[in-house]
Amino acid sequence: DVKVTQSSRYLVKRTGEKVFLECVQDMDHENMFWYRQDPGLGLRLIYFSYDVKMKEKGDIPEGYSVSREKKERFSLILESASTNQTSMYLCASTLRPAGVSGELFFGEGSRLTVL
Amino acid sequence: SQQGEEDPQALSIQEGENATMNCSYKTSINNLQWYRQNSGRGLVHLILIRSNEREKHSGRLRVTLDTSKKSSSLLITASRAADTASYFCATVPRAGGTSYGKLTFGQGTILTVHP
Repeated sequence: DVKVTQSSRYLVKRTGEKVFLECVQDMDHENMFWYRQDPGLGLRLIYFSYDVKMKEKGDIPEGYSVSREKKERFSLILESASTNQTSMYLCASTLRPAGVSGELFFGEGSRLTVL
Repeated sequence: SQQGEEDPQALSIQEGENATMNCSYKTSINNLQWYRQNSGRGLVHLILIRSNEREKHSGRLRVTLDTSKKSSSLLITASRAADTASYFCATVPRAGGTSYGKLTFGQGTILTVHP
């Protein structure tokens, strides 16, 4: 079975801190995604990557950056955390692009609280 | 903005009853996918239906797609308490442009099945 592992289930950070959220998948998937999930807003795409060192902005990239140095690892970085970035962050991966019957495999999520 | 919009936002039923959730979307799609999320966990893929398909079954799940109305429905038959979860539809736009391969999620339907 595909496993997508997010390094931290729960984090509490202070405003202005730099935050790293790590995601690792073990199935050699090409495509990886970072979403945030907020009540009433559903899932919103922050960034995605189709290959190593390749990244594309999603719908809400402001305040975030990403890194994909190795195929299996996709990191989300909050350069200076703010309270409006308190959210559940979900990482996902897929072998094929979603437009080619690519179902997404999700991690368990990282719940970030910024105080 | 979210492509898929689920209806109803919340649904409460008794065990053994059927549950129907609807999803509407705005633009032409390549495929539509349904996901399930247990409270505080990641999303799990349930079923994918392509734009040229009208109906698909998987166990107790039945999905229909009406591209003329830009809508889909998910039917869970003979529901169980373990079906209690949030259900999301996600759409993949038709090929072309930078949105190809990205899933866009709706806000979800919260299903509660009472024993």
